[in-house]
Amino acid sequence: DTAVSQTPKYLVTQMGNDKSIKCEQNLGHDTMYWYKQDSKKFLKIMFSYNNKELIINETVPNRFSPKSPDKAHLNLHINSLELGDSAVYFCASSQDPQDPQHFGDGTRLSIL
Amino acid sequence: GNSVTQMEGPVTLSEEAFLTINCTYTATGYPSLFWYVQYPGEGLQLLLKATKADDKGSNKGFEATYRKETTSFHLEKGSVQVSDSAVYFCALSDGGATNKLIFGTGTLLAVQP
Repeated sequence: DTAVSQTPKYLVTQMGNDKSIKCEQNLGHDTMYWYKQDSKKFLKIMFSYNNKELIINETVPNRFSPKSPDKAHLNLHINSLELGDSAVYFCASSQDPQDPQHFGDGTRLSIL
Repeated sequence: GNSVTQMEGPVTLSEEAFLTINCTYTATGYPSLFWYVQYPGEGLQLLLKATKADDKGSNKGFEATYRKETTSFHLEKGSVQVSDSAVYFCALSDGGATNKLIFGTGTLLAVQP
């Protein structure tokens, strides 16, 4: 039983395309997150939703748009992909913002 | 702002050696501190945590003590195994409404048989 699952695991696409990454958690958690991990393994938060409401929105280009249709899902849509968007994107969830976060296995996005 | 600094890797050890990975933090207020581990090709897993000064987090033989006086949360293990090879991340959260996790840069540990 995968607690936090992301699809796809790998995404290879060309510059300028629009793509989405999906995340689902079956832990019953109220809070979900998106992180970006660059080629040097540095992790930075991008967004967080609590009960479908946006609570963290870091300085991220507005080409990135999160969508939470329900509290078990947090998808990430990226418009007009650029070379610098190449990274591993991790979804995470926690019961409350103060609880430890559970991470998915990541989506490796490669822009050609 | 809040930040985490951890020692750069890679750290290469022989099996059964003693491990220390240094982590120091800068924060206002009283953050919670975490160590996460990332095995190759996988997501991050919580290894241990401490929520207040002098707390010791421990799991799978790893330990870290929340030291407010030195603003540190060093990770230690008495005897490492090959299976411990991974990237280790120190992180803090400010415990506020958003619980934003701020990570260190990660330290790659390679344990050789």
